[in-house]
Amino acid sequence: SQKIEQNSEALNIQEGKTATLTCNYTNYSPAYLQWYRQDPGRGPVFLLLIRENEKEKRKERLKVTFDTTLKQSLFHITASQPADSATYLCAPSGNTPLVFGKGTRLSVIA
Amino acid sequence: DVKVTQSSRYLVKRTGEKVFLECVQDMDHENMFWYRQDPGLGLRLIYFSYDVKMKEKGDIPEGYSVSREKKERFSLILESASTNQTSMYLCASSFEASNQPQHFGDGTRLSIL
Repeated sequence: SQKIEQNSEALNIQEGKTATLTCNYTNYSPAYLQWYRQDPGRGPVFLLLIRENEKEKRKERLKVTFDTTLKQSLFHITASQPADSATYLCAPSGNTPLVFGKGTRLSVIA
Repeated sequence: DVKVTQSSRYLVKRTGEKVFLECVQDMDHENMFWYRQDPGLGLRLIYFSYDVKMKEKGDIPEGYSVSREKKERFSLILESASTNQTSMYLCASSFEASNQPQHFGDGTRLSIL
């Protein structure tokens, strides 16, 4: 069955540094991969979608890569700020509805 | 902006009750989804619907049913609530099931006593 692993449950980094979150998947060949942000007590909010033929996608301080050979996506937040503290979910998808990873809780410390 | 509205933020019910959770979206999306989210288990898909009166089982449909009589409204029904259905329930909608962003409501925290 499909398996999605996000590198760690929690990640703490210093303000101003680059946060890198990892999403690995197995038994799956997704054509797309999405990243979401979720704040406590709120629903997830869509951030970025990357297609299998795109190596990299950027949006302001966010960058996503998608390596179909390694079956991995990396999500980077540059110049991180305390307001970036949240849980980040990856969701590979193909012909079926999204399957979400369990998320990585990022804490940016001032 | 897309708005997905869930009828209640918090709900407390008793075991054996029939529970209705309502979700409304205002963007004419074809697809709607119900998830539950539990600590350590992440988001799990219960049911989804790709059109009015159409429904598909997700990963954990047991104990639940759904209804989609109008395009904008998707209801989740707990036929006979049990304590293991205490959870955060999230509704989402999208144009496509897999390659378009999903827009989520803020969830209903349901407690079954």
